[in-house]
Amino acid sequence: GENVEQHPSTLSVQEGDSAVIKCTYSDSASNYFPWYKQELGKGPQLIIDIRSNVGEKKDQRIAVTLNKTAKHFSLHITETQPEDSAVYFCAARPGDNYGQNFVFGPGTRLSVLP
Amino acid sequence: NAGVTQTPKFRILKIGQSMTLQCAQDMNHNYMYWYRQDPGMGLKLIYYSVGAGITDKGEVPNGYNVSRSTTEDFPLRLELAAPSQTSVYFCASTSGGNTIYFGEGSWLTVV
Repeated sequence: GENVEQHPSTLSVQEGDSAVIKCTYSDSASNYFPWYKQELGKGPQLIIDIRSNVGEKKDQRIAVTLNKTAKHFSLHITETQPEDSAVYFCAARPGDNYGQNFVFGPGTRLSVLP
Repeated sequence: NAGVTQTPKFRILKIGQSMTLQCAQDMNHNYMYWYRQDPGMGLKLIYYSVGAGITDKGEVPNGYNVSRSTTEDFPLRLELAAPSQTSVYFCASTSGGNTIYFGEGSWLTVV
């Protein structure tokens, strides 16, 4: 089955700097890769996603890149702000099983220092 | 705009007790899930359902049971609680598209 690894497990950056979180997946049939942000005491919320037929997607300060050949994808946050501090999870959806199991990475705790 | 609602938010159980975590969604989603999140870990799938009357095991189903009698509700039953079930539990749903909507979580401690 699919396996998703995520690095680093913790990341501290100064406010205004960029943050990059990387994930690798094992199943070449996976075709959809969302990123979730989990604030303290809350459930995860989708912040950006990318499909396997796209190499890069950007939404304001957040971007995601996908390298299908290497089977890895990354989250890039520019001009970080204190409210970006949270746990970020990447995920992969194997094949075309809509609604079935999304496999999540273990998460990255991002701290943005003022 | 309720989304996915979980109850209770916090619960302390004694070893051997049983309880049900309630989950309801008002988005008419067919697909519903239960995940557990251990400290510092990712989300592990316990059970999922692709529609009313249909449930299936996920990665870590032992010690749990579910039912899906309606589209809206997907309760998770813990039988004979064990310390290993101390965790945060998240219910989630999706229409079958890409976005999964999560509830706020239920913090469970078994002592």
